[in-house]
Amino acid sequence: GQNIDQPTEMTATEGAIVQINCTYQTSGFNGLFWYQQHAGEAPTFLSYNVLDGLEEKGRFSSFLSRSKGYSYLLLKELQMKDSASYLCAVRDGGATNKLIFGTGTLLAVQP
Amino acid sequence: DVKVTQSSRYLVKRTGEKVFLECVQDMDHENMFWYRQDPGLGLRLIYFSYDVKMKEKGDIPEGYSVSREKKERFSLILESASTNQTSMYLCAILNRANTEAFFGQGTRLTVV
Repeated sequence: GQNIDQPTEMTATEGAIVQINCTYQTSGFNGLFWYQQHAGEAPTFLSYNVLDGLEEKGRFSSFLSRSKGYSYLLLKELQMKDSASYLCAVRDGGATNKLIFGTGTLLAVQP
Repeated sequence: DVKVTQSSRYLVKRTGEKVFLECVQDMDHENMFWYRQDPGLGLRLIYFSYDVKMKEKGDIPEGYSVSREKKERFSLILESASTNQTSMYLCAILNRANTEAFFGQGTRLTVV
């Protein structure tokens, strides 16, 4: 089977750091994506990890451990505009590039 | 910039109608996907296609079919719309390197 788990909701304070976790169990693995989605809008790409380790991109970083089936998205210097849903997705193994999403984490940034 | 265009932003259809949702890309990518998004359930994969005329069922294909006659266009078909198909439908494409997926703006379908 396949399963991607994320916390449903998180709350953090403006200026702080927050870590959003994602664990996955899939029949294969060919990369993990993080997306941001504001209410009523389409998801927008944040990061892609296929090898173990940390990828840093400005205020956002994403970490992957393939042996543990685990990833996290780290958001630093939180801003009010970071209030959104954060979606973890896995590209399954094989030739057909099946892309599976978790249910998303709704992050609320408070002043 | 990659452009993924869905034919309608909002759509209202009657129960039993045949509904076509169109998705067009401008980048000649092979992999295209249709998802529906419902509160608390996230994005669920309905169908995807990895080449012209090639299609694979996703996790919730029941009540849907797809068509990919040309590489740039991937259509989702609701053969006989039902109220439980009221949802936000999102089309996505995967770039050639398989490192990023681009989404259309979404179609909010209401079946009455």
